[in-house]
Amino acid sequence: QSALTQPASVSGSPGQSITISCTGTSSDVGGYDYVSWYQQHPGKAPKLMIYDVTTRPSGVSNRFSASKTGNTASLTISGLQAEDEADYYCCSYRSGRTLGVFGGGTKLTVL
Amino acid sequence: EVQLLESGGGFVQPGGSLRLSCAASGFTFTSHAMSWVRQAPGKGLEWVSAMTGDGTTFYADSVKGRFTISRDISKNTLYLQMNSLRADDTAFYYCVRPHCSATSCSRADYWGQGTLVAVSS
Repeated sequence: QSALTQPASVSGSPGQSITISCTGTSSDVGGYDYVSWYQQHPGKAPKLMIYDVTTRPSGVSNRFSASKTGNTASLTISGLQAEDEADYYCCSYRSGRTLGVFGGGTKLTVL
Repeated sequence: EVQLLESGGGFVQPGGSLRLSCAASGFTFTSHAMSWVRQAPGKGLEWVSAMTGDGTTFYADSVKGRFTISRDISKNTLYLQMNSLRADDTAFYYCVRPHCSATSCSRADYWGQGTLVAVSS
């Protein structure tokens, strides 16, 4: 089965809000509250930004929020800043698998 | 502070072997699952393997039978033995401390800086 579906790219201007979607099926995103989001700057390791659909780890800016409706999870970044420019990946538990499944990644450009 | 430091990456010919190491610090090694996630250059992320705190192991279908995850508790070190390497195994390999249930791992809490494995003739 394929990865979760994310848009290849999104963009926004400083101060604006953007939303990145992550679409799966009832066997993963839609069926379980085990969706996480990661931020990856060029040449750097990914960083956990959201887990269990909506929970921010300590130290992550409250400009980052997330939600889920049906089989689609979403990451919203408000008050866009230049430092938010990065790749973003979603990940979910998938029924019958022992390891999570990632989305293909979304490149965020801050204009 | 959780720290994960990978080593052992490099260039290897198809069919060859390599062993990656991950030195962990800042937490009780035996109380946590550990895993490997890889990323081909310019591509997305892929879970490769994981080991829960009680030693249960998980593998992606793409590496099952070729890769073996293990740990040395006395050294707080995680390993990934990679055999029968193929060109499509070329990737950055990240050591990750995940959050796992008894039967699966799907959240990567802490990441190392990664080590590059390049398989080419």
